Amino acid sequence: DTAVSQTPKYLVTQMGNDKSIKCEQNLGHDTMYWYKQDSKKFLKIMFSYNNKELIINETVPNRFSPKSPDKAHLNLHINSLELGDSAVYFCASSQGGQGEAFFGQGTRLTVV
Amino acid sequence: AQSVTQPDIHITVSEGASLELRCNYSYGATPYLFWYVQSPGQGLQLLLKYFSGDTLVQGIKGFEAEFKRSQSSFNLRKPSVHWSDAAEYFCAVGTHTGRRALTFGSGTRLQVQP
Repeated sequence: DTAVSQTPKYLVTQMGNDKSIKCEQNLGHDTMYWYKQDSKKFLKIMFSYNNKELIINETVPNRFSPKSPDKAHLNLHINSLELGDSAVYFCASSQGGQGEAFFGQGTRLTVV
Repeated sequence: AQSVTQPDIHITVSEGASLELRCNYSYGATPYLFWYVQSPGQGLQLLLKYFSGDTLVQGIKGFEAEFKRSQSSFNLRKPSVHWSDAAEYFCAVGTHTGRRALTFGSGTRLQVQP
């Protein structure tokens, strides 16, 4: 069983479209994250949820909206996609928000 | 706010040679420290972590790292590199309070020559 799984793995879409990325963890963790990895491999936190409550909301365009239906799931919805949104998006989870984070395989988003 | 610096963007070593990847952090107290590895097209895998106690920590795949408080460093080492170690390596810092997410360095790409 995959600990942190996200779908889809690849996403190619046109500018202006709306898309969602789903993430699920089966580790029983109470904290989940979305990280963005840009073309230079730099990883930056976007959002963090603890027990379904948003606790980190970095400077991210409001076209990005996370949703956590329960503490095992964290989805990312992106409206009006732009070329600059092309990146790899990683979901991760941890217990308590302080320890090691377990990462999904990533979703490579390409906006054309 | 905490930060992490990995001064080496790209390192090339010969197979069988020793390896040291540098990591410096900035944080007001003792941080939690991590090394992750990312193979092409893959997610991040934890190599090792430091929370407290012994400053020399052992990880998977024969890696180790040493926490040096006086130098604010957490360098990753391996005595003999294998071709399969070629990947991107990330150092990360976590904190006891406040911001509840890891802050990553910019990564070091390791190339292994036969």
